[in-house]
Amino acid sequence: DAGVIQSPRHEVTEMGQEVTLRCKPISGHDYLFWYRQTMMRGLELLIYFNNNVPIDDSGMPEDRFSAKMPNASFSTLKIQPSEPRDSAVYFCASSLAGATYEQYFGPGTRLTVT
Amino acid sequence: AQSVTQLDSHVSVSEGTPVLLRCNYSSSYSPSLFWYVQHPNKGLQLLLKYTSAATLVKGINGFEAEFKKSETSFHLTKPSAHMRDAAEYFCVVSGPPGTYKYIFGTGTRLKVLA
Repeated sequence: DAGVIQSPRHEVTEMGQEVTLRCKPISGHDYLFWYRQTMMRGLELLIYFNNNVPIDDSGMPEDRFSAKMPNASFSTLKIQPSEPRDSAVYFCASSLAGATYEQYFGPGTRLTVT
Repeated sequence: AQSVTQLDSHVSVSEGTPVLLRCNYSSSYSPSLFWYVQHPNKGLQLLLKYTSAATLVKGINGFEAEFKKSETSFHLTKPSAHMRDAAEYFCVVSGPPGTYKYIFGTGTRLKVLA
């Protein structure tokens, strides 16, 4: 299996621009998670989906952030408009329902907003 | 409520000497526990997991961890450090049953000296 795939790997954009991050989970996994990692705050869960349905978006920082999962093999995280404080590494992870809970992480997207 | 504490933010060892990374947790139910490793500019990789089976868990790359309920600990060990072990390590406890959420520790950065 190719693992969790994220694109782009790096994104540099100017303040005010729209940014879209993409994720392809491991085939057959039914949970998908979006995280943000910064030096100051560590790893934060933004939102997670089960069977393409958002279950918990309490970690989404504000209305500028939105996430969708139109099908089992694709999810997007959008920031509009972007701000310099959104600069971080964004990780996507997927998991399979069951007793063991383990999540598999993608390589991340490093976002820089200037 | 669940929480996890990694007792050391930085650990330095010499190559060939043992590694001990400490983790304590708090949980109101029987949790699953995990250790992840993150190499620079990479995603998180699962090292090992505890899910209420054997209390001594063996993982990849020679790492192991022991679940001690009486001490609420899940320390990560390796008999002999290698240069490639230099990375950040995260202890993780599972969130409330049925949520599939993770509670992350703040991480321990392991430095291996030649």
